[in-house]
Amino acid sequence: AQSVTQLEIQVTVFEEAPVELRCNYSSSVSVYLFWYVQYPNQGLQLLLKYLSGSTLVESINGFEAEFNKSQTSFHLRKPSVHISDTAEYFCAVTHSGAGSYQLTFGKGTKLSVIP
Amino acid sequence: GAGVSQSPRYKVAKRGQDVALRCDPISGHVSLFWYQQALGQGPEFLTYFQNEAQLDKSGLPSDRFFAERPEGSVSTLKIQRTQQEDSAVYLCASTSTSGTRGGEQFFGPGTRLTVL
Repeated sequence: AQSVTQLEIQVTVFEEAPVELRCNYSSSVSVYLFWYVQYPNQGLQLLLKYLSGSTLVESINGFEAEFNKSQTSFHLRKPSVHISDTAEYFCAVTHSGAGSYQLTFGKGTKLSVIP
Repeated sequence: GAGVSQSPRYKVAKRGQDVALRCDPISGHVSLFWYQQALGQGPEFLTYFQNEAQLDKSGLPSDRFFAERPEGSVSTLKIQRTQQEDSAVYLCASTSTSGTRGGEQFFGPGTRLTVL
């Protein structure tokens, strides 16, 4: 079984400031890691994912996350946020073995970007 | 369709009533998942279908919860004799691959169920 802990419930930053949303996971086997974003009144959307290879993964809108196996972390960062990044962010994990179909999510971090 | 759709978007039920929640996945998607998201929590897995076969229902909280996908496309989540603790947003997701391994799950907007 896996579990995910998102360390921040809510984060408020000024526009153009950097932000880091922290995610730690627990699993006894290899994992795949995801960040999903939920904009107000919209469904969950995939932001980025780590499957294998380079431990640093990037999204098209400037977010990046780094898989750290030794620290079992997958923190999400953006060097300069926009008002439009205001949303709730969910870290999720699944293990890469057979029969591993469902995602296990953290409780989410609400990001508010203020002008 | 363009994305996963769910209906109704909002449902208010009196305790003890039965409800049925519908999910229309993206056309051609093999896999379909149901999740339950309580207020202030992340989504929690309920059940998984590959085509019409329900391969995993380990997340269903009680035998009052039942899901089906008889023709491998539309799915219905039914909750019998609803209780207040069933109040949550029910999310449906689909993916074109046969499992989650690497495959992006596309989520619908959810059905918000309120049990009075």
